Amino acid sequence: EVQLLESGGGLVQPGGSLRLSCEASRFAFSNFAMSWVRQTPGKGLEWVSAISGGGSATFYADSVKGRFTISRDNSKNTLYLQLSTLRVDDTAIYYCAKDSPRAFYSGSAYYGGAFDVWGRGTMVAVSS
Amino acid sequence: SYVLTQPPSVSVAPGQTARITCGGDNIGSKSVHWYQQKPGQAPVLVVFDDSARPSGIPARFSGSNSGDAATLAISRVEAGDEADYYCHVWESSTGLFGGGTRLTVL
Repeated sequence: EVQLLESGGGLVQPGGSLRLSCEASRFAFSNFAMSWVRQTPGKGLEWVSAISGGGSATFYADSVKGRFTISRDNSKNTLYLQLSTLRVDDTAIYYCAKDSPRAFYSGSAYYGGAFDVWGRGTMVAVSS
Repeated sequence: SYVLTQPPSVSVAPGQTARITCGGDNIGSKSVHWYQQKPGQAPVLVVFDDSARPSGIPARFSGSNSGDAATLAISRVEAGDEADYYCHVWESSTGLFGGGTRLTVL
C-alpha cells in the first residue's frame, strides 16, 4: 500500500524554526510532484507548497513565501518542509500529499492535479 | 483572487442523495477534485478531474462541473458518509480549497 509518513512537528516559539519530514514508501517517489497542505484545528484545508518530482521547481502560497522552504531527497524517498520565522497563525496539522500523475510544471507555472495519497499529518504549534 | 464557496452544512436522510456544491467564477473551465475527511483522519480523494473516481471509491460518489458550480453527489447515503467534504482546484500555480461542507446523515 502506498504510504506517506510525516514527522518533525512540535511546539515552537514565535519566530522559531522547525523542519518537517515526509517519508514515502511503495511508489516511485521521484516520478511525482508532492505538496504540503495544512489544516488549522477545526478549520479548513490550506495548500502550502509544491515541488516537482526532480526537485528543481518549487511553488508556495503567498502566506508562507519567503518563510518556508520545500525540498526533497529522492535517494531517501523523503520530502521536507523547512519552517522559519514561525507565527502563531502557522499553528496547524501539516499533511504531505502526493500529486496525481498528470501534474506538471512549465517554466514558472505549476499545473497540479488531485492529491491521491495523504499522510496522517504532523502537528505544529506556535506559542510563547 | 479566486475563491471557492461551499455551503457550511448539508443534511440528508439515509438512502437519499446528498448534493454538495462548490461555486467559483467559471469553475467549469477548471478541473475540480473532492476530498472526504472524517474526524481525526486525513482527507481522502473521492472524485478527481470533475467526475472520475479513484479505485476503491463506491460508484455512489459522482461529480459534475459546469458554469460557475461543481457538484459532488452522493447517492444512497449511508451513516458512514458523514464527514467534511472539500473541493479543490488549481489557479495560477496555487492550490485552492473550498471552505468545506459538513455532511450530516439524519
